[in-house]
Amino acid sequence: EAQVTQNPRYLITVTGKKLTVTCSQNMNHEYMSWYRQDPGLGLRQIYYSMNVEVTDKGDVPEGYKVSRKEKRNFPLILESPSPNQTSLYFCASSLRTSGGLNEQFFGPGTRLTVL
Amino acid sequence: SQQGEEDPQALSIQEGENATMNCSYKTSINNLQWYRQNSGRGLVHLILIRSNEREKHSGRLRVTLDTSKKSSSLLITASRAADTASYFCATGGRLRDDKIIFGKGTRLHILP
Repeated sequence: EAQVTQNPRYLITVTGKKLTVTCSQNMNHEYMSWYRQDPGLGLRQIYYSMNVEVTDKGDVPEGYKVSRKEKRNFPLILESPSPNQTSLYFCASSLRTSGGLNEQFFGPGTRLTVL
Repeated sequence: SQQGEEDPQALSIQEGENATMNCSYKTSINNLQWYRQNSGRGLVHLILIRSNEREKHSGRLRVTLDTSKKSSSLLITASRAADTASYFCATGGRLRDDKIIFGKGTRLHILP
């Protein structure tokens, strides 16, 4: 089954404790992206990747890191989480053609609480 | 920065009626997509319309795009209870369509 998986689905942590949220897709998509969703603000793009070893900042990259060592995986790293990073996080992937990006497939989300 | 802005923010209609949501954006785009989200779950892609298209249909969905007004609309005909969800538009820029910007969404509630 074609899917995007994220782990963990729920996480409660404390300020400053490094954490990683994993994202994996099995559709051989070149494009992967991370978003955060906050009430009243919609989804905002954190980082995205056009292909292996190629990453770029979205609208809200501060406090986050990503890596793309393999095509299927795109982990999101919070080196020193703070309470303002409490949010619902989504990973997504997409096929890229000559006509541009196609539909994005989203993971189920990771609800993160930073105390 | 917010590119797409949906209107209205919330909409309640009777089952069987049509629902229309609008999206406005600010810069030139390569394509515009509509997504549905059920109660905090992952987003599901509904339809993609490219900048050289004016209208697109998919089942009970009809999307229009007016690049001169920088706006798009999503029409759901003959609404059902299962259509209750939040709907988002997302744009990819003409020069950098890999940078995706979502609107804040329209919450649609279908009344029985």
